[in-house]
Amino acid sequence: DAGVIQSPRHEVTEMGQEVTLRCKPISGHNSLFWYRQTMMRGLELLIYFNNNVPIDDSGMPEDRFSAKMPNASFSTLKIQPSEPRDSAVYFCASKTGSDTEAFFGQGTRLTVV
Amino acid sequence: AQSVTQLGSHVSVSEGALVLLRCNYSSSVPPYLFWYVQYPNQGLQLLLKYTTGATLVKGINGFEAEFKKSETSFHLTKPSAHMSDAAEYFCAVSDWYSSASKIIFGSGTRLSIRP
Repeated sequence: DAGVIQSPRHEVTEMGQEVTLRCKPISGHNSLFWYRQTMMRGLELLIYFNNNVPIDDSGMPEDRFSAKMPNASFSTLKIQPSEPRDSAVYFCASKTGSDTEAFFGQGTRLTVV
Repeated sequence: AQSVTQLGSHVSVSEGALVLLRCNYSSSVPPYLFWYVQYPNQGLQLLLKYTTGATLVKGINGFEAEFKKSETSFHLTKPSAHMSDAAEYFCAVSDWYSSASKIIFGSGTRLSIRP
């Protein structure tokens, strides 16, 4: 099993540019989570999906952030326009309905300059 | 709403000493509780979990944690620290109520090991 796959691993972009982060969950997993990790705020849940449907997006910081899950094997987190304060490590995680724990990807380190 | 509080953002112990990382939770329903470990530049890896049954749970790398409902705590311990235990540790809570439950993390505790 390849685990949760995130791409890219590192992204450096200029302020104002659009950024798209990608996640491929573990095959067969039907819940997918996007987290953001910063020194100041720790690990924050941004949004999560169940069976491709967004269940709770209350953690999405602003309208500049959007997430989609067009099918069971792919999700994106988009920031448009990006700002320096969006710099963080973004993690994707997935689980099945019968799992109790989530399985994490390696993360995408985003730097907005 | 569920929440997790980790006491101490940084804990330092000597190699061979007891490791104790503290976690208190808040949940309106019986919780699932987790400890995850994060090594530098890596994702989070599950150390151990409590769902139901035995309140003392054992995990990987010699760690264990005890669920104490009366104290709403789930502290992580290891009898003897090893240099390789240096990492960030996260306590997390979920609930059994729904298969679509979210998992909420504490702010993390950085564990340093002194030679």
